[in-house]
Amino acid sequence: DVKVTQSSRYLVKRTGEKVFLECVQDMDHENMFWYRQDPGLGLRLIYFSYDVKMKEKGDIPEGYSVSREKKERFSLILESASTNQTSMYLCASSLRHSTGNTIYFGEGSWLTVV
Amino acid sequence: KNQVEQSPQSLIILEGKNCTLQCNYTVSPFSNLRWYKQDTGRGPVSLTIMTFSENTKSNGRYTATLDADTKQSSLHITASQLSDSASYICVVSEGGGNKLTFGTGTQLKVEL
Repeated sequence: DVKVTQSSRYLVKRTGEKVFLECVQDMDHENMFWYRQDPGLGLRLIYFSYDVKMKEKGDIPEGYSVSREKKERFSLILESASTNQTSMYLCASSLRHSTGNTIYFGEGSWLTVV
Repeated sequence: KNQVEQSPQSLIILEGKNCTLQCNYTVSPFSNLRWYKQDTGRGPVSLTIMTFSENTKSNGRYTATLDADTKQSSLHITASQLSDSASYICVVSEGGGNKLTFGTGTQLKVEL
């Protein structure tokens, strides 16, 4: 069974802290994505990566960075967490040519910044 | 600006009844349209993917339709079950398929 695993389901961090959200997929997918999901807004793309060490900005990259040192792992980094980054973060992966291919999501990481 | 609009925003139905959820989009160029089911507190799970040439696609009790001319899609749920209670999200892919636009979802509640 395919799996996208997000290491932390619930986190509470203080303003200004550096936060790491980890995501691992076991499907040998080239593409990996980080989204955030807020009530009343659709999922919004933060960053995506289509290969190791490659990354592309999404629609809302400000305040975030990413790292992809290995194909199976994609990390989201909040350099200095702020309260407006309180949200649910979803990692996803897909084959390189995602047209017609399923995009698989993790279970989500709920981050609260206080 | 590419947009995906879903209606209704929320819906309550009795167990065993059918329902239809709507999705209108303005995404161009169109690549494919996906429906996802998201249980509360969980990640979205894929139900169907339809490309330009597909009008209908089924997955068990879920049937999605696509009218690429009017840029509309619907998700029909037959003989609803309590476990169908979830948010249903319409997602449209642009161009080569990696650029996705998400709707805000329809929150469905199935009651006894």
